[in-house]
Amino acid sequence: DGGITQSPKYLFRKEGQNVTLSCEQNLNHDAMYWYRQDPGQGLRLIYYSQIVNDFQKGDIAEGYSVSREKKESFPLTVTSAQKNPTAFYLCASSIIGGGGQETQYFGPGTRLLVL
Amino acid sequence: RKEVEQDPGPFNVPEGATVAFNCTYSNSASQSFFWYRQDCRKEPKLLMSVYSSGNEDGRFTAQLNRASQYISLLIRDSKLSDSATYLCVVIPGGTSYGKLTFGQGTILTVHP
Repeated sequence: DGGITQSPKYLFRKEGQNVTLSCEQNLNHDAMYWYRQDPGQGLRLIYYSQIVNDFQKGDIAEGYSVSREKKESFPLTVTSAQKNPTAFYLCASSIIGGGGQETQYFGPGTRLLVL
Repeated sequence: RKEVEQDPGPFNVPEGATVAFNCTYSNSASQSFFWYRQDCRKEPKLLMSVYSSGNEDGRFTAQLNRASQYISLLIRDSKLSDSATYLCVVIPGGTSYGKLTFGQGTILTVHP
């Protein structure tokens, strides 16, 4: 089955700890994205990548880091600098080349909670 | 003004009702528009794209009004399974990939 997988489903972070959220896709999509969703709010873009070894900051990149060493993988690290990390984190992917109308497909998400 | 605004609701309607949501956007150069559906504690899933000419998919009709800068979603003959949050999504003009802008969502509850 083709799709996007995220792990873990739930993640608990202690104060001052860095944690990494996994995102893998086997759709052969070039572009991948990370979003954050807070209760009652829309999704906000953290980082995105259009090609391996390249990525760009989104609207709320502070306190986060990413890597794109493989086309199918785009892990997100929530660093200790992110002071309010509790949220629902969603990874998405899309093709490139549709003139800006590429549909983004989402993974099942990871809920991050601070202990 | 937010880039994309939706009435958060909640909209509570009986089965079989017709319900409509509007979404306004601020960037007049916006080029692409979508409606996503998000079930509780799940990921958003594409419901339909919104084209200038309007489009229909079964009980769902989406329309775009560029002059007034809003898109709409009409659901006819509501089912219990339509209960969800509906997200309005816009790709602002002059932006590249990854710049989807989401509204905060409209909550729909369909009751028996």
